[in-house]
Amino acid sequence: AQKITQTQPGMFVQEKEAVTLDCTYDTSDPSYGLFWYKQPSSGEMIFLIYQGSYDQQNATEGRYSLNFQKARKSANLVISASQLGDSAMYFCAMKFLGAQKLVFGQGTRLTINP
Amino acid sequence: GAVVSQHPSWVICKSGTSVKIECRSLDFQATTMFWYRQFPKQSLMLMATSNEGSKATYEQGVEKDKFLINHASLTLSTLTVTSAHPEDSSFYICSATTSSGEDQETQYFGPGTRLLVL
Repeated sequence: AQKITQTQPGMFVQEKEAVTLDCTYDTSDPSYGLFWYKQPSSGEMIFLIYQGSYDQQNATEGRYSLNFQKARKSANLVISASQLGDSAMYFCAMKFLGAQKLVFGQGTRLTINP
Repeated sequence: GAVVSQHPSWVICKSGTSVKIECRSLDFQATTMFWYRQFPKQSLMLMATSNEGSKATYEQGVEKDKFLINHASLTLSTLTVTSAHPEDSSFYICSATTSSGEDQETQYFGPGTRLLVL
């Protein structure tokens, strides 16, 4: 069965520091996509970054990058130069080729301290 | 980017009444829409997958007669919570995907609807 695990329920980071949010997954399917979403207190799910299982390079989007280690089945999100506005819940999710639905992890609450 | 709207953003209703929530894709055609439910401090739980013009596919344990889903057009899906009870109080959030272009893998989410049943 496919499963996504986020082992950090909460993280506290000083402003301007880099932060890594962990995500591991379990699947035997060779084709899949990995997503990270940010959910601020308003509730909206904001798409951050996507990595396909066959992508050779790690995905980057501005201050967000995905540290994709396929052999270890991990897809950690790295946020560089953290800002106060980065404080939110962060969800890792997975989608399999041919499937429509996303499987979500439990989420990590990130708090950026001034 | 792809924008999804949801209406209303929050609703309070009496027990026994029905509540309709709308989900619209504003700048793209959404061939598939999804409805999620989220309890406080928990992850999203998929309720159903809705493809335009066909019946929704409900996840195990979700009552299809309780949560009616209609996806009548490529830009609109509705979720109706029938005969709502206090245990239906939750945050309901929809998402949408398109079947074309580079973005077809990504689900774009609406802002969510907070439902409180008294």
